[in-house]
Amino acid sequence: QVQLQESGPGLVKPSQTLSLTCTVSGGSISSSDHYWSWIRQHRGKGLEWIGYIHHGGSTYYNPSLKSRVTMSVDMSKSQFSLKLSSVTAADTATYYCAREVGFGSGSPSPDCWGQGVLVTVSS
Amino acid sequence: EITVTQSPATLSVSPGERATLSCTASQSVNTNLAWYQQKPGQAPRLFIYGASTRATDIPARFSGSGSGTEFTLTISGLQSEDFAVYHCQQYNNPPLTFGQGTKVEIK
Repeated sequence: QVQLQESGPGLVKPSQTLSLTCTVSGGSISSSDHYWSWIRQHRGKGLEWIGYIHHGGSTYYNPSLKSRVTMSVDMSKSQFSLKLSSVTAADTATYYCAREVGFGSGSPSPDCWGQGVLVTVSS
Repeated sequence: EITVTQSPATLSVSPGERATLSCTASQSVNTNLAWYQQKPGQAPRLFIYGASTRATDIPARFSGSGSGTEFTLTISGLQSEDFAVYHCQQYNNPPLTFGQGTKVEIK
């Protein structure tokens, strides 16, 4: 049973870069069948998909955040990471990492999620 | 980007009754639609994919239907553990997009 765990600072200052890491256990981050994604949820709101990365390096970022997002994978540590630059209070949210799989058609989609980490942007 | 809209925002249902949740996409997503359940303080959990296929260990009282732009999640015989927020999400085209969620609460 794959498990994902987010880690990183819970408080980030405005204009700085938010950095989060997701550690994958119980499964291989280098599986060709899986993509690894980040999703966020503003308090009391719906979910916003940030993007995904494949262990081979391919990425897809949500156009709404693309200019500020960078994702990377460290297979030696079974981790993948999110960097979101130039943050503002609007980036305050719970951030989830997730594994994405193909369901036979369409794009890969999340089937397993981490517990989430609350990141607050404030001076 | 495909917009996904859920209705109603809140659904009040008595235990044992049926709940019907709706999800509409702004353009056809074929059957590339998923439903997730989320409880307070927890991550979403995949319940339905392919519009109608139950994920692993999801009880048969949950059923999904629809294709194109209109989708429904039906919960037959609501049990106490079913009261939660349900999100629908399209994965026909990236970026993946979610509805705002329907909260199923005890009447």
